[in-house]
Amino acid sequence: DGGITQSPKYLFRKEGQNVTLSCEQNLNHDAMYWYRQDPGQGLRLIYYSQIVNDFQKGDIAEGYSVSREKKESFPLTVTSAQKNPTAFYLCASSAGARLMNTEAFFGQGTRLTVV
Amino acid sequence: DAKTTQPNSMESNEEEPVHLPCNHSTISGTDYIHWYRQLPSQGPEYVIHGLTSNVNNRMASLAIAEDRKSSTLILHRATLRDAAVYYCILRARTTGGFKTIFGAGTRLFVKA
Repeated sequence: DGGITQSPKYLFRKEGQNVTLSCEQNLNHDAMYWYRQDPGQGLRLIYYSQIVNDFQKGDIAEGYSVSREKKESFPLTVTSAQKNPTAFYLCASSAGARLMNTEAFFGQGTRLTVV
Repeated sequence: DAKTTQPNSMESNEEEPVHLPCNHSTISGTDYIHWYRQLPSQGPEYVIHGLTSNVNNRMASLAIAEDRKSSTLILHRATLRDAAVYYCILRARTTGGFKTIFGAGTRLFVKA
């Protein structure tokens, strides 16, 4: 079945360590996104990519990095520079970022806890 | 930037219609209005979207005010499975791309 897969579902890391969250889609979507969600809050955009080998910062990019070497994959690295990394991270994809009337598909999320 | 405002929570009885309001008074002419819902510990799920005209699909209806400063998501017959957080979202064009603006959402409680 087509869809968007995030792994792992739960992730624990020690403070000061970088950690990479995986996001893969087989929907043939050009655009992919990373969001962060804190308890009781809405989603905030971290990074997005409209096409392979290109990505742009969202509203809260500091302390995060991404790559888009393949259409299907958009991994997010949470670096040690991110001051408060514990959160629920959501990846999404859509047919085209410039097409604002398209539906976005979300993964099931990765809950990152930094201890 | 345009933003959305929604009530923190709403309650409904099962099998009754639910009207979820959203204010977006600073919306610009090219901003699309999207609605998503989210169950606990899951990713958001698309519900419906529109630009100017009212829209219907199998999940819900979207009523957009004539001045586009507000919209209402209508669930025609609420079920227990509709209990979720509903987000009203603007997708706005910006220089070089776009921006998706999430509000805090409305938590819908459905009583049996």
